[in-house]
Amino acid sequence: NAGVMQNPRHLVRRRGQEARLRCSPMKGHSHVYWYRQLPEEGLKFMVYLQKENIIDESGMPKERFSAEFPKEGPSILRIQQVVRGDSAAYFCASSPGGHQPQHFGDGTRLSIL
Amino acid sequence: DQQVKQNSPSLSVQEGRISILNCDYTNSMFDYFLWYKKYPAEGPTFLISISSIKDKNEDGRFTVFLNKSAKHLSLHIVPSQPGDSAVYFCAAARQNSGYSTLTFGKGTMLLVSP
Repeated sequence: NAGVMQNPRHLVRRRGQEARLRCSPMKGHSHVYWYRQLPEEGLKFMVYLQKENIIDESGMPKERFSAEFPKEGPSILRIQQVVRGDSAAYFCASSPGGHQPQHFGDGTRLSIL
Repeated sequence: DQQVKQNSPSLSVQEGRISILNCDYTNSMFDYFLWYKKYPAEGPTFLISISSIKDKNEDGRFTVFLNKSAKHLSLHIVPSQPGDSAVYFCAAARQNSGYSTLTFGKGTMLLVSP
């Protein structure tokens, strides 16, 4: 009974490179959320997607960040031209929708050199 | 502007005693509240939730209380066990607005000593 799967667990990039973070939701879940956690902080909402649609991206930085959840395959959070400040833990959560709690993956820890 | 606040960064409790974790919120539009537990290097694990139409929800050793007029909720763990040692996050959502994204507090680190 697989939970939310995120990969890679750790990702190291140099400044200016691209980072791609993947998230496979729990079986039967069609709602995906991405959150970012900076050191000593709580999780901050970034983007909410359903299959092929971005529902809410109000927490996404205006530049360099994008997300998708295609009809087939995992959800992808893409960060272009990474900078040191992008270093954080990125968590994906999924839910079946409605008044159901979100379930989280174990995150991707992104480090920028 | 922090809409969900957990004012205690840490809490130490002895095994067998009650742990009380507190959370305050400022946005009166929040109508659904959740507690998550997080171990290092893992994702948050859902513990318990409460809708704003209730003032209490219980699940085994965990009880969440909601005081809407004070915009305050608390998580009670009794009896506390060493395995409960983790960071606890309070989260809030505006579900009845069809808006289910979560706003988190900064967390409280609970340490339960034997």
